[in-house]
Amino acid sequence: QLQLQESGPGLVKPSETLSLTCTVSGGSIYRSPYYWGWIRQPPGKGLEWIGSISYSRSTYYNPSLKSRVTISVDTSKNQFSLKLSSVTAADTAVYYCARDTDLEATFDYWGQGTLVTVSS
Amino acid sequence: QSALTQPASVSGSPGQSITISCTGTSSDVGGYDYVSWYQQHPGKAPKLIIFDVSNRPSGVSNRFSGSKSGNTASLTISGLQAEDESDYYCSSYTTSSTLEVFGGGTKLTVL
Repeated sequence: QLQLQESGPGLVKPSETLSLTCTVSGGSIYRSPYYWGWIRQPPGKGLEWIGSISYSRSTYYNPSLKSRVTISVDTSKNQFSLKLSSVTAADTAVYYCARDTDLEATFDYWGQGTLVTVSS
Repeated sequence: QSALTQPASVSGSPGQSITISCTGTSSDVGGYDYVSWYQQHPGKAPKLIIFDVSNRPSGVSNRFSGSKSGNTASLTISGLQAEDESDYYCSSYTTSSTLEVFGGGTKLTVL
């Protein structure tokens, strides 16, 4: 059974960079046609796709965040990561990692999510 | 504002059927059969319950069904049970630069 687990700081200061890692277990990240994505959910609000990456490092980002987002993959560790720069309070959210089937908006396996708060 | 439009809330009594709509455009819902639905209980990660408009992942109850007509996709839950009380989100592939979009979510209350 595929499992995903997010890790990283739960508190980030304004203007700094948010960094999260998703560790995939129970299966290889090195598989087509799957992508590996990040989705966030501000408290009490809906879901927002941040971006996705393939094992071959092809990346796709939400244009609303593209200037601040970098997603990378480490196939040797079966992990992929998110960096979001210049954060503000509006970036406070639960961040989820998920498996994304061929960029068809089908996220079939999800991590449990991690709350990241942006505050000084 | 979400790219896909869902009603904020729906409700139904146990045993009844309810339908949640998800309205987009010809660039997303109407143009492709890449619509998914997710169930999210409070404090939990979303769970995929429908993909490619009408397909159920293994282990998902057949009380959940999906369909599409024009630019609107629908999720129907039949034989409502108390455990179905949850938030539901749709998602779709889109030809816009966003690529993957979600609806704003619908809160289902089982009366």
